[in-house]
Amino acid sequence: QVQLQESGPGLVKPSQTLSLTCTVSGGSISSGDYYWSWIRQPPGKGLEWIGYIYYSGSTYYNPSLKSRVTISVDTSKNQFSLKLSSVTAADTAVYYCARLEESVASYFDYWGQGTLVTVSS
Amino acid sequence: EIVLTQSPGTLSLSPGERATLSCRASQSVSSSYLAWYQQKPGQAPRLLIYGASSRATGIPDRFSGSGSGTDFTLTISRLEPEDFAVYYCQQYGSSLVYTFGQGTKLEIK
Repeated sequence: QVQLQESGPGLVKPSQTLSLTCTVSGGSISSGDYYWSWIRQPPGKGLEWIGYIYYSGSTYYNPSLKSRVTISVDTSKNQFSLKLSSVTAADTAVYYCARLEESVASYFDYWGQGTLVTVSS
Repeated sequence: EIVLTQSPGTLSLSPGERATLSCRASQSVSSSYLAWYQQKPGQAPRLLIYGASSRATGIPDRFSGSGSGTDFTLTISRLEPEDFAVYYCQQYGSSLVYTFGQGTKLEIK
């Protein structure tokens, strides 16, 4: 059973960089069968896809966030990470990492439990 | 970017009743790229349906998905107490962006 777990600071100051890591267990990021994504959800609101990375390091980001987002992968640790720069209060959200299936259909089949990141001074 | 509009915003029903949730896309979506998720308070979304009509592993057969083009439907044939939650549709399209609907809250009447 694949499991994903987010980790990182729960509080970030405005204008600083938000950094989160997702650790994958029960499956290898290097298998090449999936993409690895970040999705966020502001309190009481809907879901927003941030971007994904493939085990090779190729990435694709939501154009609305592209200028501030970097997703990286560490296959030796079976982890992938998110950096979001120049954060504001609007970036306060629960951040989820998720596995993206793209072979026959497109969907997020495994999700981490989510981690709340608050942007505040 | 394709916008997904879900209706109704809130649906009030009783256990045992049938629930019909709608997801309308601003442009045509390939059925392969339409999925449905269930989210309960304090939990991550859970995949229910992918490819518009295929149930994910472990999902009871009271959940079914249908539709094509711009109109998709999630049906729960007989509501169980654990089905009351928020439901989201999600698509991937020509804009190369994954987007979600705003959600339908299914509440106990």
